[in-house]
Amino acid sequence: QQQVKQSPQSLIVQKGGISIINCAYENTAFDYFPWYQQFPGKGPALLIAIRPDVSEKKEGRFTISFNKSAKQFSLHIMDSQPGDSATYFCAALSGTYKYIFGTGTRLKVLA
Amino acid sequence: DSGVTQTPKHLITATGQRVTLRCSPRSGDLSVYWYQQSLDQGLQFLIQYYNGEERAKGNILERFSAQQFPDLHSELNLSSLELGDSALYFCASSPNPRGEKLFFGSGTQLSVL
Repeated sequence: QQQVKQSPQSLIVQKGGISIINCAYENTAFDYFPWYQQFPGKGPALLIAIRPDVSEKKEGRFTISFNKSAKQFSLHIMDSQPGDSATYFCAALSGTYKYIFGTGTRLKVLA
Repeated sequence: DSGVTQTPKHLITATGQRVTLRCSPRSGDLSVYWYQQSLDQGLQFLIQYYNGEERAKGNILERFSAQQFPDLHSELNLSSLELGDSALYFCASSPNPRGEKLFFGSGTQLSVL
């Protein structure tokens, strides 16, 4: 119940395309759903986050879609660029302070 | 630069040994989190401290222990090391106890030979 399942494990997208990464959770106590971006040799950095009272949040080219009934959320990267090539982690946070991460998606955007 | 400092950056040791990883959080952040990152298991939550007190525990082995000191820096102690403990260990800090925004350090790469 504490797991967050992330897919796909890896993703290759052409420059200008849309990258979509999906996550699913079981624990309904989760109430904060962030996405982190990690470049090689660096620690993850917060990209965008959403709470379950909204269905979508957009920041620039990055959008989170949230489906509370299905217990799923996804990250959409519009107009993907080679500089977006990184590993993306979804995460979920509950009131018990446990910050659980998905297994990560390696995104490669081809020039 | 996240403002979180982890030392050392790399650590090579032998099985059965004990090592200490150190983390200095961002100035003013009271929460410290420790994560283990391996290729096949992503980011595994180990433990969280807030202002010196343990707040949450994840899949941390009994051979591992951590603490947060009065100056808010934290140490992760790994003992009786096994080959499978080889991984990247991250520390993250947050300004609040719930930690909605985590600031990660650059990690300590541990290699157990």
